[in-house]
Amino acid sequence: DVKVTQSSRYLVKRTGEKVFLECVQDMDHENMFWYRQDPGLGLRLIYFSYDVKMKEKGDIPEGYSVSREKKERFSLILESASTNQTSMYLCASSFDFSYEQYFGPGTRLTVT
Amino acid sequence: AQSVSQHNHHVILSEAASLELGCNYSYGGTVNLFWYVQYPGQHLQLLLKYFSGDPLVKGIKGFEAEFIKSKFSFNLRKPSVQWSDTAEYFCAVNGGYNKLIFGAGTRLAVHP
Repeated sequence: DVKVTQSSRYLVKRTGEKVFLECVQDMDHENMFWYRQDPGLGLRLIYFSYDVKMKEKGDIPEGYSVSREKKERFSLILESASTNQTSMYLCASSFDFSYEQYFGPGTRLTVT
Repeated sequence: AQSVSQHNHHVILSEAASLELGCNYSYGGTVNLFWYVQYPGQHLQLLLKYFSGDPLVKGIKGFEAEFIKSKFSFNLRKPSVQWSDTAEYFCAVNGGYNKLIFGAGTRLAVHP
């Protein structure tokens, strides 16, 4: 079974802090994704990566950056956390863009 | 731009009732279609998928979905729901772009 793990289930940060969310997958997938999930809005894509050191903006990249130094690991960075970034963050991976994505358990981030 | 519309945001049913959740998408070309489910406190997981072939696809836990190309729809059905089907359901579409487009989700509550 594909396993996607995220570094924290719950995180509380202060406004202005730099926040790192880590994601690791164990199936040698090329593609990795970061989403945020908000009630009534579904999943919105923040960034994705199709190879090591390669990244592309998703639909809502403002205020975020990403890093992929190793194939199995994809990090989401909030350079200066703001209260409107309080959300559930989901990481996913897939073998191919047209195939299904496998999701991690999510990190619920609260910015106070 | 591609979009996915889920008609019902909240659905409440009694056990043994039949379920149909609507999903429509806007994309004129070849699509891959997915339904994901998120049970309370659990990660998002694949319920079923359609790539090609028989437009009636069967998934896990007795769910099925029908792809109707002329209606740009991929509705999810289950003949008899159980309390354990209480969850949030997301329709997603991949229409040639390097990402999935998700609907806003439908929260299903099944009462015993």
